[in-house]
Amino acid sequence: EDQVTQSPEALRLQEGESSSLNCSYTVSGLRGLFWYRQDPGKGPEFLFTLYSAGEEKEKERLKATLTKKESFLHITAPKPEDSATYLCAVPYNTDKLIFGTGTRLQVFP
Amino acid sequence: GAGVSQSPRYKVAKRGQDVALRCDPISGHVSLFWYQQALGQGPEFLTYFQNEAQLDKSGLPSDRFFAERPEGSVSTLKIQRTQQEDSAVYLCASSFRRNSYEQYFGPGTRLTVT
Repeated sequence: EDQVTQSPEALRLQEGESSSLNCSYTVSGLRGLFWYRQDPGKGPEFLFTLYSAGEEKEKERLKATLTKKESFLHITAPKPEDSATYLCAVPYNTDKLIFGTGTRLQVFP
Repeated sequence: GAGVSQSPRYKVAKRGQDVALRCDPISGHVSLFWYQQALGQGPEFLTYFQNEAQLDKSGLPSDRFFAERPEGSVSTLKIQRTQQEDSAVYLCASSFRRNSYEQYFGPGTRLTVT
């Protein structure tokens, strides 16, 4: 069965302390991997799409990378406003997305 | 803005009541999805529409859940005889075309069943 697993479940960082979030997946015929940011009380906000191993995407302090079995979301010199839950997802069958449980990131000043 | 909107944002229902949750997708978006998100979990797929056709309802947890999109735009998720386990955030998402995979989410409706 296709699965998406994220780690760690929670991450506390000091402002400026870089780190990485992991998303591993088991899915046949990957048709893309998606990263979303979710703030409390809001719906997920689309960040990146990655389609093939070796691909990288960047947005401000975030960089997403993809290998054949996992994706990383690297956060460089994070700020408190980067605090959120980060979700990854893969498409399955009729376009529905399978989500991981997310990584709750807290960045302290 | 022209994002996905959902109403109501919050709904409290007594066990056994029926509820209806509304989703207004981004104008022109062909595909519409409903997800259920429990506290501390990622969203879980409920059902999918392409225009007015419901192509996948495999995620609906029981026959108490029903969704429709009669004119290929606004969608309604109806839950009959609500139970406490139905308490969750219900998210709606839309995408521009089939197979685009880039889904844009609304803010969700938080349903609490007492």
